[in-house]
This record gives sequence, C-alpha cells and structure tokens, in this order.
Amino acid sequence: EDQVTQSPEALRLQEGESSSLNCSYTVSGLRGLFWYRQDPGKGPEFLFTLYSAGEEKEKERLKATLTKKESFLHITAPKPEDSATYLCAVQAPSGNTPLVFGKGTRLSVIA
Amino acid sequence: NAGVTQTPKFRVLKTGQSMTLLCAQDMNHEYMYWYRQDPGMGLRLIHYSVGEGTTAKGEVPDGYNVSRLKKQNFLLGLESAAPSQTSVYFCASSLQGNGYTFGSGTRLTVV
Repeated sequence: EDQVTQSPEALRLQEGESSSLNCSYTVSGLRGLFWYRQDPGKGPEFLFTLYSAGEEKEKERLKATLTKKESFLHITAPKPEDSATYLCAVQAPSGNTPLVFGKGTRLSVIA
Repeated sequence: NAGVTQTPKFRVLKTGQSMTLLCAQDMNHEYMYWYRQDPGMGLRLIHYSVGEGTTAKGEVPDGYNVSRLKKQNFLLGLESAAPSQTSVYFCASSLQGNGYTFGSGTRLTVV
C-alpha cells in the first residue's frame, strides 16, 4: 500500500502562473513530512520539514503547508528555474524509521 | 566540505558480474541509506544503517548486500548483477534520522 501519494504526476505552468502540488499520506502518528527538489541527473536537495498540522514553511517562491492527511507545496509566480521534480517523503513515529518517498511531481515552467 | 560522495558515477556491467558502489560522507552522520530510483517508481529503500557496524534491510533488499565498517563509508554490493538492477542508485546520510543529504547518484546499466 502506498503511504505517500503525490499529484499531479506532471504539471506544466506558464511563468508567473501560481499553482500547488499535493502530497497525501497514510502514516499514523507522523513524525515529519519532508519536501525535496530534484534536478535532472542530480540527487534530491532538501527544501522543508513539517512536523505538525497547521505548520507552514517558506523559501523564496515556495511555501509548504501541512494538514493531518496531506501537504501542499504552493509555488507563487514560478520562474523557469523552478522547473524540477518535487519529492515528498514521510517518517513514521519510530526515530530510526527511514523516510518513505512519493513518486514525485515533475514541474515544468515555460517562459 | 564534499558532503556525500558516490563512486563511480556511471558503470556498465554484464549480467552475472559483481561490483561495489561506494558512498562516503564527511559530516559525521550516524545514519546512511541506499535508495534506487526507477522511472515511475520513485525512490525505494534498499538497505540502511543507523551506525557503524549496523545494517538493516529496506523495501527492496534482494540481490544486494551492504557493509558499514567505518562510520563515514557505506558500501553497496551486487554479487551477481541482473538487468532488473539497472537503475540510478542514491546514497544519503543524516545526523538524527531526518533531513537527508543525498549524493549525486550512480547510474548503473546491466546488459
């Protein structure tokens, strides 16, 4: 069973067209939810960690939010350099439990 | 600081050959992980380690072995490579089991 489901699989935006990516999860007692950015041919790069419902984190044009069942990555006025695959991952309550990743959303921002 | 370094970056193997992938981190992290990434499948955990001398199986451990003889190194071995092991392999490390730092990946092709 999937613990982490990301949607959409791919998203194409015009430069300046704001949108949101979704990450829904089924882990009970979430310890943390993580967002990563991955550029082609590179390893994932850490963006945010969210720990509790209602929490928000921001970085430049990105804002991540968390509810009890899902997280959103909001992209405001995106630029072509925001094009990448965005990965969501969750960690179960046990401290040593490795992260479980979703399959990602591939974002393309067209100038 | 180099962070997480993976060697080699690319490799082509014939079916039945063996090889070892090396992951080295210079951040004094306790936790280290090996993931594989395949199109449409996302990142899947192969093996991980919560400290020097310890290893544990992940979601897809069959056909792989690992060793963590030194804190800074985590080796992934393929004893008899199969075409199904064609993938991009990522190593990651973390200090307290969250906020992973990833390497740049090893692209392995088994023919």
